[in-house]
Amino acid sequence: QQQVKQSPQSLIVQKGGISIINCAYENTAFDYFPWYQQFPGKGPALLIAIRPDVSEKKEGRFTISFNKSAKQFSLHIMDSQPGDSATYFCAASRDSGNTPLVFGKGTRLSVIA
Amino acid sequence: NAGVTQTPKFRILKIGQSMTLQCAQDMNHNYMYWYRQDPGMGLKLIYYSVGAGITDKGEVPNGYNVSRSTTEDFPLRLELAAPSQTSVYFCASSHPDRGIDTQYFGPGTRLTVL
Repeated sequence: QQQVKQSPQSLIVQKGGISIINCAYENTAFDYFPWYQQFPGKGPALLIAIRPDVSEKKEGRFTISFNKSAKQFSLHIMDSQPGDSATYFCAASRDSGNTPLVFGKGTRLSVIA
Repeated sequence: NAGVTQTPKFRILKIGQSMTLQCAQDMNHNYMYWYRQDPGMGLKLIYYSVGAGITDKGEVPNGYNVSRSTTEDFPLRLELAAPSQTSVYFCASSHPDRGIDTQYFGPGTRLTVL
């Protein structure tokens, strides 16, 4: 049973465009939702995270939108750049991050000039 | 700080061999994790530990063993390697604090079992 469903599997965006990656979860006990970015040959690194008491969090060109009633959250990358080309993973956990993360399957983003 | 270090970076095993993947962190984190990453499948948790002497199974523990005798080290043992264990293995550590759990990942070990 996949607890966090991520889409799309792959995404190609023009430079300067908006990249949108979506995730849906099933467990209503989840209360911490991070996004991780992974470049080829490297380990994932935390990009941005949100808790369900807010509907949106923005850090630079990266924004998480969170819809608690729909049990969905998404990552928006504004003004996408070739350097953003990577694999992005959404994740979720409960107990304020004190339990292990459950990861989505990942989205491979390619930003083309 | 070196962060999370993993050795080896690459390894080829024959079916039935055993090996230990090493993981160490110098951030004094209580929590440590082992994941495996298969193409298109995301990261699956193998084992985790919330402190020295405490370990717990994740989603895919079969064929693996762990120990946590110190805060710094969290080795993963593969006994009787099988082709299904061909994967990239990542170790991570964290220190959940006030609802924030940033996991810091190592560079990974690419394992091939032939």
